[in-house]
Amino acid sequence: AQSVAQPEDQVNVAEGNPLTVKCTYSVSGNPYLFWYVQYPNRGLQFLLKYITGDNLVKGSYGFEAEFNKSQTSFHLKKPSALVSDSALYFCAVSPGSGNTGKLIFGQGTTLQVKP
Amino acid sequence: GAVVSQHPSWVICKSGTSVKIECRSLDFQATTMFWYRQFPKQSLMLMATSNEGSKATYEQGVEKDKFLINHASLTLSTLTVTSAHPEDSSFYICSAHPRQGAREQYFGPGTRLTVT
Repeated sequence: AQSVAQPEDQVNVAEGNPLTVKCTYSVSGNPYLFWYVQYPNRGLQFLLKYITGDNLVKGSYGFEAEFNKSQTSFHLKKPSALVSDSALYFCAVSPGSGNTGKLIFGQGTTLQVKP
Repeated sequence: GAVVSQHPSWVICKSGTSVKIECRSLDFQATTMFWYRQFPKQSLMLMATSNEGSKATYEQGVEKDKFLINHASLTLSTLTVTSAHPEDSSFYICSAHPRQGAREQYFGPGTRLTVT
């Protein structure tokens, strides 16, 4: 079965420290991978995507993610966290075979950045 | 670019009434739109896939007669919750898939439905 896993329900980090939000996936074919962020009572905002090419993808608001095919992971990172980064983060994957537009979402990770 | 709007942003209705939620792609044409439901601090649950000009495809366990979806144009899809009950109270989010070959979806801001 195709799935996306975010093993941490919550990640706590101090402002100014680096942050990592983990994501692993299990899908057929070569996946397209995405990270979205959701603030309270809002829709999802697109952060970044990996389709092909360089394994390190840079996105919005200073976030980046590293695609690791052997570990089937796509961890979200930021060198220096801000309090305003506190939100709910979703990893999502579009299976490589076919293009129905469907996304498979992880369960989400709450990022808490403390001053 | 790639802005998706939803209307209303929140709605309160009485049990037994119907509520319509609109999802519009403002600056692009969407061949496919998706409707999700989200419970507090949980992931998005895909309810249905809406293709312009054809019937929506519902996910397993979603009642098609209760959640009516219409995708009449390339920029508008509507979700109607019929005979709403308190258990239908939730955050409903739509997204739009811009075109064939593009994988990302662009999300609306969501609609908070409360059924009393």
